[in-house]
Amino acid sequence: DQQVKQNSPSLSVQEGRISILNCDYTNSMFDYFLWYKKYPAEGPTFLISISSIKDKNEDGRFTVFLNKSAKHLSLHIVPSQPGDSAVYFCAANTNAGKSTFGDGTTLTVKP
Amino acid sequence: DGGITQSPKYLFRKEGQNVTLSCEQNLNHDAMYWYRQDPGQGLRLIYYSQIVNDFQKGDIAEGYSVSREKKESFPLTVTSAQKNPTAFYLCASSIVSSEAFFGQGTRLTVV
Repeated sequence: DQQVKQNSPSLSVQEGRISILNCDYTNSMFDYFLWYKKYPAEGPTFLISISSIKDKNEDGRFTVFLNKSAKHLSLHIVPSQPGDSAVYFCAANTNAGKSTFGDGTTLTVKP
Repeated sequence: DGGITQSPKYLFRKEGQNVTLSCEQNLNHDAMYWYRQDPGQGLRLIYYSQIVNDFQKGDIAEGYSVSREKKESFPLTVTSAQKNPTAFYLCASSIVSSEAFFGQGTRLTVV
């Protein structure tokens, strides 16, 4: 049973518009959530994170929202830029430090 | 420069052979991880280690082995028992329960 799900395999948005990537989880023991960005044939790079005690964290153009009751988090990118085109992975950590990843969403930002 | 280094970038293995993937970090991180990525899928945890001389199985440990004799090094051996070893392998390190820093990956192909 997949504990972290990204139900949209792909997303296409116009440059300058908002990109919203979604992630759902099932395990109530997750207490820390992260978003990573990945280019082909490279390792993922950390983008932004949020603790389970918060509902929002913002860093420049990137904002992550957490809805614990719905077990849902989302990443907002505003404004979207062509350089944001990549695969975005949602990950969830337990306090034991083990990360569980979703299958990723491929974001394409069109000029 | 501080970072995490995986080698080799590409590796070819004949069926029935064991191969070892190298992972070295100079970030002074206690935790290290090995993930496997297959096309269109997320990262699946093979093994992880939170301290020297200790490691735990992840979700797909069968056919793999690791060692953690030094803080900086966490090599992964893909044994002949792994029935479908062709994949992209990613090593990561972190401060426990924080964001992970990934290497550039090793693409293993069985020929």
